[in-house]
Amino acid sequence: QVQLVESGGGLVEPGGSLRLSCAASGFTFSDYYLNWIRQAPGKGLEWVSYISSSGRGVRYADSVKGRFTISRDSANNSLSLQMNSLRAEDTAVYFCARGKDAVYVFDMWGQGTMVTVSS
Amino acid sequence: QPVVTQEPSFSVSPGGTVTLTCGLSSGSVSTSYYPSWYQQTPGQAPRTLIYSTNTPSSGVPDRFSGSILGDKAALTITGAQADDESDYYCVLYMGNGIWVFGGGTKLTVL
Repeated sequence: QVQLVESGGGLVEPGGSLRLSCAASGFTFSDYYLNWIRQAPGKGLEWVSYISSSGRGVRYADSVKGRFTISRDSANNSLSLQMNSLRAEDTAVYFCARGKDAVYVFDMWGQGTMVTVSS
Repeated sequence: QPVVTQEPSFSVSPGGTVTLTCGLSSGSVSTSYYPSWYQQTPGQAPRTLIYSTNTPSSGVPDRFSGSILGDKAALTITGAQADDESDYYCVLYMGNGIWVFGGGTKLTVL
């Protein structure tokens, strides 16, 4: 079954850290770039981070640059997002989404994992 | 970072046609931005509708179509149905692995 499944969300205090994971299955992992996209409660979608199919290229939204680190593990077909120095405004559902080079679309999404930053 | 603009809300009658747009705060949207469109209902992950301006994603009904209208990307729903009532998001590819979402349009079918 072709799917992306996120995990690792939860409640964390401001300034804390959390690591999200996204397990991929049913497709050739190395053929796709991967992204994290988030949605704050009652708000719209916000692109957060990108990692290329090779893993050598990474990009971040200005809102998370210097605090979040994206990575991928081809051996385990998984994507991760290390989130440090968390702020209240990072509270959101975090989705992982894949895409193919030269097409520039998020063609499959996971179901999301909720991150709440609060004391 | 550039701002991608969408109508906050829109209303359409059942069976009617509606066009949602996706613009840039400064400049025009062209095919070079590879505009794509997503549909989302509350509590669900987004569903991909259209990519590369006008290519429908697999399984998307042909009442959904994409285009460039003037200086904006557009999503047209022809023959709207009750279950088209959703939030619709466009996203533009800025190059170099960076995307920007619009704020979304809440579509009401009544």
